[in-house]
Amino acid sequence: DAGVTQSPTHLIKTRGQQVTLRCSPKSGHDTVSWYQQALGQGPQFIFQYYEEEERQRGNFPDRFSGHQFPNYSSELNVNALLLGDSALYLCASSYRDPGNTIYFGEGSWLTVV
Amino acid sequence: RKEVEQDPGPFNVPEGATVAFNCTYSNSASQSFFWYRQDCRKEPKLLMSVYSSGNEDGRFTAQLNRASQYISLLIRDSKLSDSATYLCVGTLGAGSYQLTFGKGTKLSVIP
Repeated sequence: DAGVTQSPTHLIKTRGQQVTLRCSPKSGHDTVSWYQQALGQGPQFIFQYYEEEERQRGNFPDRFSGHQFPNYSSELNVNALLLGDSALYLCASSYRDPGNTIYFGEGSWLTVV
Repeated sequence: RKEVEQDPGPFNVPEGATVAFNCTYSNSASQSFFWYRQDCRKEPKLLMSVYSSGNEDGRFTAQLNRASQYISLLIRDSKLSDSATYLCVGTLGAGSYQLTFGKGTKLSVIP
């Protein structure tokens, strides 16, 4: 049973560029959340997708957008990259109820230069 | 005031020691609480949920005090393998779907 898988694992981008990160949830899960974790900080909630809709959003600018596909996989897009966007981007999946256990992927390390 | 606050440490303890981590939260409507463990450059992994009645899993005991908005984690008989960052986590409020993380407390267990 595959867990949460994310790609790419590492990438380097230049300021002003755009990036797309991908996530496949754990088998049987239908809800995907994205978190940003800067060095020395706890993960910060970006948004959550359920039934292909953004269900809840954290305090992130519109440069951060996402999508969920019918197979429950998800993408995180970040436009006009800033140096401060350098972080570990974590995808987490769960089944329906937010009280159910959430599983994290290994993350995508983004460096903006 | 941050929504979830915890002492960043680091906590350096010898093997076999007992160590306690504390955490406070600001939103009294927060519903669910957890402790996650994160190894260096890895993803967070659920260690245990936290209940008002207290819960224990082997050497780990977690406690929630809703009146004081305070959460604790006790690790007994520390092992080298317990070295990690421990994240205090809660749901933001009633009906919230997001997890709110503290900055984490780093633990190093020393031989």
